[in-house]
Amino acid sequence: EIVLTQSPATLSLSPGERTTLSCRASQSVRYYLAWYQQRPGQAPRLLIYDASNRATGIPARFSGSGSGTDFTLTISSLEPEDFAVYYCQQRSDWPITFGQGTRLEIK
Amino acid sequence: QVQLVESGGGVVQPGRSLRLSCAASGFTFSDYGIHWVRQAPGKGLEWVAAVSYDGINKYYADSVKGRFTISRDNSENTLYLQMNSLRAEDTAVYYCGKIQIVGAARNYFDCWGQGTLVTVSS
Repeated sequence: EIVLTQSPATLSLSPGERTTLSCRASQSVRYYLAWYQQRPGQAPRLLIYDASNRATGIPARFSGSGSGTDFTLTISSLEPEDFAVYYCQQRSDWPITFGQGTRLEIK
Repeated sequence: QVQLVESGGGVVQPGRSLRLSCAASGFTFSDYGIHWVRQAPGKGLEWVAAVSYDGINKYYADSVKGRFTISRDNSENTLYLQMNSLRAEDTAVYYCGKIQIVGAARNYFDCWGQGTLVTVSS
């Protein structure tokens, strides 16, 4: 099973700041990685797929990069609605796996 | 618009069974793989099971293999999860998720239901 490790577990930031979230895979997943946002009480929402492609309707302040085992999600300027939990997910092999999540909280 | 609506959750005793449903609308259901993903209270996302667009290929997490069965009825645009021999650790919100790409079984989830809560407790 491919293990995805996200860091940090929690980030405390202010609106307007720039942030980078990390996801590291236990083995190469090529570029087969996605990022999701989950707000409290809501289902996850697809943000980025295949490492760097924004999903439909996702603002340009969200960007993804990486390949192989190291990936990042960058939010260029935090909006109030961006404070949520973020998960990475790989589709390289069965079983599909998710990272444990990074909680982005308001400072 | 694309929509998934889960139902069938509730409180059930350990060892008992429960069947979840996921009703789809707004897209050609028979073209897409559909998965179940669960989230224990206060925890992260855990992939549970998947079924291919035609219902032929099925995949399961080790934690549920032999106890859960995924199926679909393309004539009714509905996905199912039959859960047997339930355990306390199966307590979670269960989401169905639609795969992004036509014909693929393993991919990303571009649409999720609102989830249905399953509580396994005596």
